[in-house]
Amino acid sequence: EPEVTQTPSHQVTQMGQEVILRCVPISNHLYFYWYRQILGQKVEFLVSFYNNEISEKSEIFDDQFSVERPDGSNFTLKIRSTKLEDSAMYFCASSATPRGNQPQHFGDGTRLSIL
Amino acid sequence: GENVEQHPSTLSVQEGDSAVIKCTYSDSASNYFPWYKQELGKGPQLIIDIRSNVGEKKDQRIAVTLNKTAKHFSLHITETQPEDSAVYFCAATSGGGGGADGLTFGKGTHLIIQP
Repeated sequence: EPEVTQTPSHQVTQMGQEVILRCVPISNHLYFYWYRQILGQKVEFLVSFYNNEISEKSEIFDDQFSVERPDGSNFTLKIRSTKLEDSAMYFCASSATPRGNQPQHFGDGTRLSIL
Repeated sequence: GENVEQHPSTLSVQEGDSAVIKCTYSDSASNYFPWYKQELGKGPQLIIDIRSNVGEKKDQRIAVTLNKTAKHFSLHITETQPEDSAVYFCAATSGGGGGADGLTFGKGTHLIIQP
């Protein structure tokens, strides 16, 4: 069964550094998402992406965050100047065309630890 | 914005018994309600979903019910097995227009199946 893959599984970064989290969505999906989950808390929506532009973003997704689809397969989340509170699990998800209420399939996440 | 409340936070049942997890939502425009199962170290896995034009959906031992008037939906697991032990999240989204709408998650229920 097709799945969403994320790399790396664990990323350790010094506070203030930039980090890029990578995702390969399911190949025929056109909607892409990033979520985060702080330890022991619920999953929170960050941003959605469709047709090479941001479709929706939450209050969490401020100017330090950016997303990009640099090629036909990868979808990335960049965090500039990381802060301690950015430590969390980051999940990528994707869904098929054409409407936003299609099932979203999640990867196993990247654990980001900011020191 | 949407707010999803989920309870209980922890549910312990005997193997073979049924488990029920309940969620309420605030946005009457929400029309898509997925349930996810999250095992330790893994991403959320979609187990069942329901759309607002349906009152009930069943898939083997799992069923979901939706009451649009009361704005609540529930997950029912029958004949529970040890492998059902996990954290379960409900979610909601309006999925409107042509955009990719993010999911709003509940806080999760830790389901423990006692042998």
